[in-house]
Amino acid sequence: AQSVTQLGSHVSVSEGALVLLRCNYSSSVPPYLFWYVQYPNQGLQLLLKYTTGATLVKGINGFEAEFKKSETSFHLTKPSAHMSDAAEYFCAVKLTGANSKLTFGKGITLSVRP
Amino acid sequence: SAVISQKPSRDICQRGTSLTIQCQVDSQVTMMFWYRQQPGQSLTLIATANQGSEATYESGFVIDKFPISRPNLTFSTLTVSNMSPEDSSIYLCSVEGSPGQGTLYEQYFGPGTRLTVT
Repeated sequence: AQSVTQLGSHVSVSEGALVLLRCNYSSSVPPYLFWYVQYPNQGLQLLLKYTTGATLVKGINGFEAEFKKSETSFHLTKPSAHMSDAAEYFCAVKLTGANSKLTFGKGITLSVRP
Repeated sequence: SAVISQKPSRDICQRGTSLTIQCQVDSQVTMMFWYRQQPGQSLTLIATANQGSEATYESGFVIDKFPISRPNLTFSTLTVSNMSPEDSSIYLCSVEGSPGQGTLYEQYFGPGTRLTVT
């Protein structure tokens, strides 16, 4: 079975600062990896995904993430935080193959200070 | 990506009653799922809604409490039965894949239904 670890529950950065949200996974085989964002009182929006190929993936709103197999990590970064980035961020993992389930981490709240 | 709508967007219900949540997708999809997000928590999969057959429930969730229908490839309902305050959560519909294209491995989510049980 797969699992996702997102350390900490809250990250606070200044506007314009680097955003780094950590995600580590546990899986018997290299999985598919996802980052979702949830703005207040909204559903989840897919930020980016890794399935195969290039390990550095770019997503919407200037976010990117790098798949590091040796570290079993898929950290999310953004060079310069914007106030509108304040939200809940979820890392998720899914095994390859039919009928596999999407497993979520517990999420991290990102706050952006003016 | 598919556009997903849910009704109602929120509701306040009394304990012991039932609420049916609707999920409508603007295109045919292969897979539909129902998730629960309890306050301040992550998402937990309740069940996979199978078109034309009984839903597949995850451990800890049963059909009597969360009956699900999926009459076609664009619509599903989740009923929360005999509600208690512990059922207060956000319930989210999610979809994946299109007929003939197999799974795209990406899941898209509806806006959620915010349920408060008093």
